[in-house]
Amino acid sequence: GENVEQHPSTLSVQEGDSAVIKCTYSDSASNYFPWYKQELGKRPQLIIDIRSNVGEKKDQRIAVTLNKTAKHFSLHITETQPEDSAVYFCAPRGYIFGTGTRLKVLA
Amino acid sequence: GAVVSQHPSRVICKSGTSVKIECRSLDFQATTMFWYRQFPKKSLMLMATSNEGSKATYEQGVEKDKFLINHASLTLSTLTVTSAHPEDSSFYICSALEGAVFNQPQHFGDGTRLSIL
Repeated sequence: GENVEQHPSTLSVQEGDSAVIKCTYSDSASNYFPWYKQELGKRPQLIIDIRSNVGEKKDQRIAVTLNKTAKHFSLHITETQPEDSAVYFCAPRGYIFGTGTRLKVLA
Repeated sequence: GAVVSQHPSRVICKSGTSVKIECRSLDFQATTMFWYRQFPKKSLMLMATSNEGSKATYEQGVEKDKFLINHASLTLSTLTVTSAHPEDSSFYICSALEGAVFNQPQHFGDGTRLSIL
């Protein structure tokens, strides 16, 4: 089955700094690459996604980059804010979730 | 936007009880729904893929007779935890796709926190 790993598993940054989370996957058939944010006890929320025909996508402070050849894609958050603190999951193909990254933004 | 309603949000019951969780797509038709289980501080683990009008596809290691899934209409899928025991306590969450194409955003329910005493 699909093997999806995220690095790092935890990440602490100072408010205003950037955060980068990497997702590696094994299934070369994947062509849809979303990132979800989950706050404690709540549903995952889609924050950005990208399809395999695009290498990068940006939405305000959030961006996703894709390297399909190397089978990884990354989430970039700039100018981090305390409300960005949450657990972030990648989900190549859309429904198999990565191991998760706990982001803590320190005020 | 697409809304998925999951009910109940919390269940506390005695060991041996069967518990049914409902997942409804309110404003779209969902040929495919997914059921996940999430332990504290862990990722969402896919339990099964529910397809309208056919048998669910279970992931390896998930007991079909323990976790019964029914997807009888295009707007409703149910997960029944049969004869629940304390080890079944977890956060269960469903999601739905608009249409049959997998590679698209999922719409999640709010989840059900199941506690078996």
